[in-house]
Amino acid sequence: GQQVMQIPQYQHVQEGEDFTTYCNSSTTLSNIQWYKQRPGGHPVFLIQLVKSGEVKKQKRLTFQFGEAKKNSSLHITATQTTDVGTYFCAGQPSGTYKYIFGTGTRLKVLA
Amino acid sequence: DVKVTQSSRYLVKRTGEKVFLECVQDMDHENMFWYRQDPGLGLRLIYFSYDVKMKEKGDIPEGYSVSREKKERFSLILESASTNQTSMYLCASSLTPARAQYGYTFGSGTRLTVV
Repeated sequence: GQQVMQIPQYQHVQEGEDFTTYCNSSTTLSNIQWYKQRPGGHPVFLIQLVKSGEVKKQKRLTFQFGEAKKNSSLHITATQTTDVGTYFCAGQPSGTYKYIFGTGTRLKVLA
Repeated sequence: DVKVTQSSRYLVKRTGEKVFLECVQDMDHENMFWYRQDPGLGLRLIYFSYDVKMKEKGDIPEGYSVSREKKERFSLILESASTNQTSMYLCASSLTPARAQYGYTFGSGTRLTVV
């Protein structure tokens, strides 16, 4: 079946270091969304990418959609303790309305 | 802001009980979803609904059913709870696919323990 794999599963970084999480889909996607879930909280929508090769920025967060629309990445520059949480991608396979969530990357930031 | 409200934050039920999880959204969203979240498995779709009285199976519908009698309310039913249904259950809503760029809005979740 259609799958969205996300790596790494866990990442510990020192505050100030950069962080990247990657999503890979087994099928071509119409678009991909990213969510953040704080510890004890629920996923919160961050952004959607639609175009091949698209890059979007939100302050220290940079989101990228691959040229083939099968992979995506989220990069955080100079992490802060407020970045702690689990980051999920959610891909919408072409021709469907459903979103398939990745398994998430749990980020811990050490002060 | 869109609000998605789940009726219980924590629930403890006995094996074999019929369990109802309620979800209400207040922004007239067409789409509603039920996910379960387990460590290492991410979010898995149980059922979803694009309209009142309409439902479609997600990836793991076995042992669950849903009801959507009103646009704002989407209920998840565990017909006969089992211990492997112990999990965090998340309800979400969204606008139509044509306006999906606003993403899903999730409720705070219900942590269900079946003993």
